[in-house]
Amino acid sequence: ETGVTQTPRHLVMGMTNKKSLKCEQHLGHNAMYWYKQSAKKPLELMFVYSLEERVENNSVPSRFSPECPNSSHLFLHLHTLQPEDSALYLCASSQDVVFPNQPQHFGDGTRLSIL
Amino acid sequence: QQQVKQSPQSLIVQKGGIPIINCAYENTAFDYFPWYQQFPGKGPALLIAIRPDVSEKKEGRFTISFNKSAKQFSLHIMDSQPGDSATYFCAASRGGEIQGAQKLVFGQGTRLTINP
Repeated sequence: ETGVTQTPRHLVMGMTNKKSLKCEQHLGHNAMYWYKQSAKKPLELMFVYSLEERVENNSVPSRFSPECPNSSHLFLHLHTLQPEDSALYLCASSQDVVFPNQPQHFGDGTRLSIL
Repeated sequence: QQQVKQSPQSLIVQKGGIPIINCAYENTAFDYFPWYQQFPGKGPALLIAIRPDVSEKKEGRFTISFNKSAKQFSLHIMDSQPGDSATYFCAASRGGEIQGAQKLVFGQGTRLTINP
């Protein structure tokens, strides 16, 4: 497999559930990102990891908890979500260690619906 | 200062026409300006990108025009086709803002429809 793969593609959960989103990249990149895409709003950067270290937390509520166990995998753990958290969650990766502003490669996202 | 403003929100063009999507930014420290294309059910994919040391970049039918003094950049699609129907996002970032990664700021997106 190549590129950035996200699972599951769709997720429906209640407000009291706990679930996790998974992202895997096969591009050998060093940086990984979580974005939130809501209707009629720009893509919102949530978290950034570089070399498995979190380097950016864009004022995201604590009910979202990221984890980067290695350079190929990124998780987003979800608990006690709110209806306004329903959105498309996108993962991306890039190779920015040596030269900045390299292309970001996106997965196809997880469509999350909170009941 | 971190915003990127994109217009129009939606655009309908006949096949063969030249749709133009515009973006404006405030932060003069931005030094990388990519455009992404997103089809329904898919993630955004990088289409073309420009850095502020050039005023125009062309890749196939896609051209970015960049006006540093006006802090504006635009995407032109030559000989547009129905297969170009998608949502287009402009973005901007400043190299080195985050060590070993980048912080892209996206525009709101333009839904483009090319009619046959």
